[in-house]
Amino acid sequence: NAGVTQTPKFRVLKTGQSMTLLCAQDMNHEYMYWYRQDPGMGLRLIHYSVGEGTTAKGEVPDGYNVSRLKKQNFLLGLESAAPSQTSVYFCASSYTGTGRSEQYFGPGTRLTVT
Amino acid sequence: KNQVEQSPQSLIILEGKNCTLQCNYTVSPFSNLRWYKQDTGRGPVSLTIMTFSENTKSNGRYTATLDADTKQSSLHITASQLSDSASYICVVRHQNNAGNMLTFGGGTRLMVKP
Repeated sequence: NAGVTQTPKFRVLKTGQSMTLLCAQDMNHEYMYWYRQDPGMGLRLIHYSVGEGTTAKGEVPDGYNVSRLKKQNFLLGLESAAPSQTSVYFCASSYTGTGRSEQYFGPGTRLTVT
Repeated sequence: KNQVEQSPQSLIILEGKNCTLQCNYTVSPFSNLRWYKQDTGRGPVSLTIMTFSENTKSNGRYTATLDADTKQSSLHITASQLSDSASYICVVRHQNNAGNMLTFGGGTRLMVKP
């Protein structure tokens, strides 16, 4: 099993450009998450999904949109990138969203907005 | 406010030595606490998980402790190896109006030198 994969690994955008980050998991997990990780700070939840066709806002959702059209994929979109969105983005998935359910993380996407 | 604070921010030790990383949290109500290891350029990987009633959990050379009364946890690494060089992240699961949530600490960056 590949686990959780993310595409692309690196990306440089200019302010105002748009892009989509793709996350895929092959563990048949119901829950999927998008986080951002900034230096010296803990991971912060952007959006999450509790199943195919559902999405919900996390702690820092502004400037991002998501879609979960297929159970195995979770897309994160930036419609108009800003320098404040320079970060490392991690996707994660879990079987459930409660209790001891472990979140499995992808390798991350490093995004720079100039 | 739910917070997870880790100390030290960074640590350098010699190969073969032991070290202890600290995690203090103000999250409530508490569900469980997990330690993750994050290698440079990779996503976090779970090391241990502890619930309210568990105060020690081992995974090879890693031993985590939890004191739910003082809201403190520690991760002890025995006989460190070069491959232990990584960031170690303390994550607390709790409940809020939106359901189960995770709060991440900022991590301790450990460097093991030969």
